[in-house]
Amino acid sequence: NAGVTQTPKFRVLKTGQSMTLLCAQDMNHEYMYWYRQDPGMGLRLIHYSVGEGTTAKGEVPDGYNVSRLKKQNFLLGLESAAPSQTSVYFCATRRLAEGLENEQFFGPGTRLTVL
Amino acid sequence: AQKVTQAQTEISVVEKEDVTLDCVYETRDTTYYLFWYKQPPSGELVFLIRRNSFDEQNEISGRYSWNFQKSTSSFNFTITASQVVDSAVYFCALTVYNTDKLIFGTGTRLQVFP
Repeated sequence: NAGVTQTPKFRVLKTGQSMTLLCAQDMNHEYMYWYRQDPGMGLRLIHYSVGEGTTAKGEVPDGYNVSRLKKQNFLLGLESAAPSQTSVYFCATRRLAEGLENEQFFGPGTRLTVL
Repeated sequence: AQKVTQAQTEISVVEKEDVTLDCVYETRDTTYYLFWYKQPPSGELVFLIRRNSFDEQNEISGRYSWNFQKSTSSFNFTITASQVVDSAVYFCALTVYNTDKLIFGTGTRLQVFP
């Protein structure tokens, strides 16, 4: 099992360009998340999804869009990249369990640089 | 609102020393969960432990131990006899039951020197 995979691993964009980050999971988890990690700020939630066809905003959603058309995939889009979006992006998944808050499983990360 | 504070930005120790990483959390909810994650230099995030608010028992796993104290809103992590492989950034995180979101602290970078 691959677990949680992210594509691409690295990317350099110019200001104003667009791109989509793909997160794929084979664990059949209901929840999926996108975070960004910046020095000294920990991980901050961008958007998340509690199931196929649903998405919700996190702490820092501006400048990003997401889609969850299939249960196993969660896409993060940048329509017009800005240097402030230079970061490491992590995808995570979590299994739904009644009465519990399970741990999240993280992908390997995508390092994005916007020039 | 929920918050997690890891006041120690960076800690350096020599191998075999014991080290404690502090985590203080804030929440008004009575049902919540606390987590520790490790991020080694390779960059991935590795789950270490989950503790719910109704279970204040300390936990030990090999050289790792966790001390959960609701009275001080703390969930501290101790590594006994540290090793170079313990060098990483460690994150404490909090989720309130039924909110679907995980709130991370800013992390503590631990460097263990041989």
